[in-house]
Amino acid sequence: DVKVTQSSRYLVKRTGEKVFLECVQDMDHENMFWYRQDPGLGLRLIYFSYDVKMKEKGDIPEGYSVSREKKERFSLILESASTNQTSMYLCASSLSLRGYTFGSGTRLTVV
Amino acid sequence: DAKTTQPNSMESNEEEPVHLPCNHSTISGTDYIHWYRQLPSQGPEYVIHGLTSNVNNRMASLAIAEDRKSSTLILHRATLRDAAVYYCIPSGTGNQFYFGTGTSLTVIP
Repeated sequence: DVKVTQSSRYLVKRTGEKVFLECVQDMDHENMFWYRQDPGLGLRLIYFSYDVKMKEKGDIPEGYSVSREKKERFSLILESASTNQTSMYLCASSLSLRGYTFGSGTRLTVV
Repeated sequence: DAKTTQPNSMESNEEEPVHLPCNHSTISGTDYIHWYRQLPSQGPEYVIHGLTSNVNNRMASLAIAEDRKSSTLILHRATLRDAAVYYCIPSGTGNQFYFGTGTSLTVIP
């Protein structure tokens, strides 16, 4: 089975800190994605990547950046964390639309 | 990308069939219809997908209207483990999904 591993299950950071959320997949998938999930708003796409060093903006990229230096790793970066970025962050990878596999999520709290 | 409309929530009794509807009236002719579900405290997982014909797999069936403007996910015998949020997602260009808020299914013992 494909595994998508997110580095932390729970994270607490201070306002203004630079935050790195790491995601690693083990099945050589081309596509990787970062979503955030908030009550009443569903899952919203932040950024995605089709290949190494390639990135595309999703619906809500403001305040975030990403890095994909290796095929298996896709990092989400909060340059200066703010309280409105408190959320559940979900990483996914896929070969195709049918094959989306999600990680277990990182619940980030910014205080 | 096509917009979708799903009920916010539905309830079903255990071991009864459940029909989860989705309207996607702006779907294009080449868009597949995908269904994912999200169990509590987990990321979403694939359920089923189809283009025009009805589809069956071990988890569920997908009934697609002839005009493709709506579809229905059918769970033949709901179990407590089927309590989840169900997302209907028409695919657009590219390989990225835009999830909505889905339907929260409660299964009553």
